[in-house]
Amino acid sequence: NAGVTQTPKFQVLKTGQSMTLQCAQDMNHEYMSWYRQDPGMGLRLIHYSVGAGITDQGEVPNGYNVSRSTTEDFPLRLLSAAPSQTSVYFCASNQKGDAPGYTFGSGTRLTVV
Amino acid sequence: AQKITQTQPGMFVQEKEAVTLDCTYDTSDPSYGLFWYKQPSSGEMIFLIYQGSYDQQNATEGRYSLNFQKARKSANLVISASQLGDSAMYFCAMREGRGGADGLTFGKGTHLIIQP
Repeated sequence: NAGVTQTPKFQVLKTGQSMTLQCAQDMNHEYMSWYRQDPGMGLRLIHYSVGAGITDQGEVPNGYNVSRSTTEDFPLRLLSAAPSQTSVYFCASNQKGDAPGYTFGSGTRLTVV
Repeated sequence: AQKITQTQPGMFVQEKEAVTLDCTYDTSDPSYGLFWYKQPSSGEMIFLIYQGSYDQQNATEGRYSLNFQKARKSANLVISASQLGDSAMYFCAMREGRGGADGLTFGKGTHLIIQP
């Protein structure tokens, strides 16, 4: 099983460019979420989704858009990249219920110059 | 106020010693879950152990145990007989509410270094 797949693994953007970070899961999990990890800050929740067509904002949503058209995919869009968005991005999926089954992707390291 | 507090930015421990990594949390939700993740230098997030707020016993997974003190709102990770491969960042995280819909809140992490 692939689990949670994130692409690309590395990306360099110029300020003002747009891009989409891809996230796909093959475990039929209902819930998916995006996090960013900055040095000394731990992981912070950007957006999350409880199912196709349903998304909500997390702790640090500004500058990011998401959509969930299918159960499997949850892309994260940067409309106009800024140096402050330089970070490592993780996507996760989990099953509905109280069991601890969060699965993380391997991350995307994004640098905005 | 921080929801998850990890007060040890870094720790050095001798190999084969036991290690306790501290985590305190803040929530008014009666239903929550607490997690510990390991992040080695390669960057992936590795799930270690989980404790539900209604669980009566402390969780254990091999060399990992979670010292859950509900009244104190603490969820310390204990690693018995540490190994060189345990050197990594360790994150405490919390899920609030039932069902796991709202994502996780993470602490800032503890950088653990195991010395031979």
